[in-house]
Amino acid sequence: AQSVAQPEDQVNVAEGNPLTVKCTYSVSGNPYLFWYVQYPNRGLQFLLKYITGDNLVKGSYGFEAEFNKSQTSFHLKKPSALVSDSALYFCAVRPFSGNTGKLIFGQGTTLQVKP
Amino acid sequence: DAGVIQSPRHEVTEMGQEVTLRCKPISGHNSLFWYRQTMMRGLELLIYFNNNVPIDDSGMPEDRFSAKMPNASFSTLKIQPSEPRDSAVYFCASSLVLANQETQYFGPGTRLLVL
Repeated sequence: AQSVAQPEDQVNVAEGNPLTVKCTYSVSGNPYLFWYVQYPNRGLQFLLKYITGDNLVKGSYGFEAEFNKSQTSFHLKKPSALVSDSALYFCAVRPFSGNTGKLIFGQGTTLQVKP
Repeated sequence: DAGVIQSPRHEVTEMGQEVTLRCKPISGHNSLFWYRQTMMRGLELLIYFNNNVPIDDSGMPEDRFSAKMPNASFSTLKIQPSEPRDSAVYFCASSLVLANQETQYFGPGTRLLVL
């Protein structure tokens, strides 16, 4: 079955420290991988995506993610966390096969950055 | 571009009433998705359309839910009759399904409360 897993319900970091939000996937073929962020009372916002090419993808607000095919992971990272990064983060995958645009979302990870 | 537009932003209704949620996708996009988000169940895909045709409605919880997309610029999600357990935030998202595209863009959501 095709799936996405975000193993941590919540991640707590201190402001200024590096952060990592984990994501692993299980799909057939070469996936498209996405990260979205949701601030309170808002819709999901696209952060970054991996389609092909360089395994390190840079996105909005200083976030980046590293695609690791052997570990089937796509962890979201930021070198120095800000309090304003506190939000709900979703990893999503689109299997290479099929082209209707459907994404499979993880259950979300709440990031809490403390001053 | 105005982004994905949803209306109403908030809806409070009584059990048994009909509720209609509306969505205008981003111009030029050819896929449209309806999601529901609750604390208990997270983000759920209800139904999605490609070129105005419903592709997969397996996420629609029951026959009380129906969705239409009469043209490329408008979609509705209807609940009839509504029940308190339908209370949730409903998101519409759209994407352009082409090679290396397919990023979904979300609307602000409709917060539904059924009393």
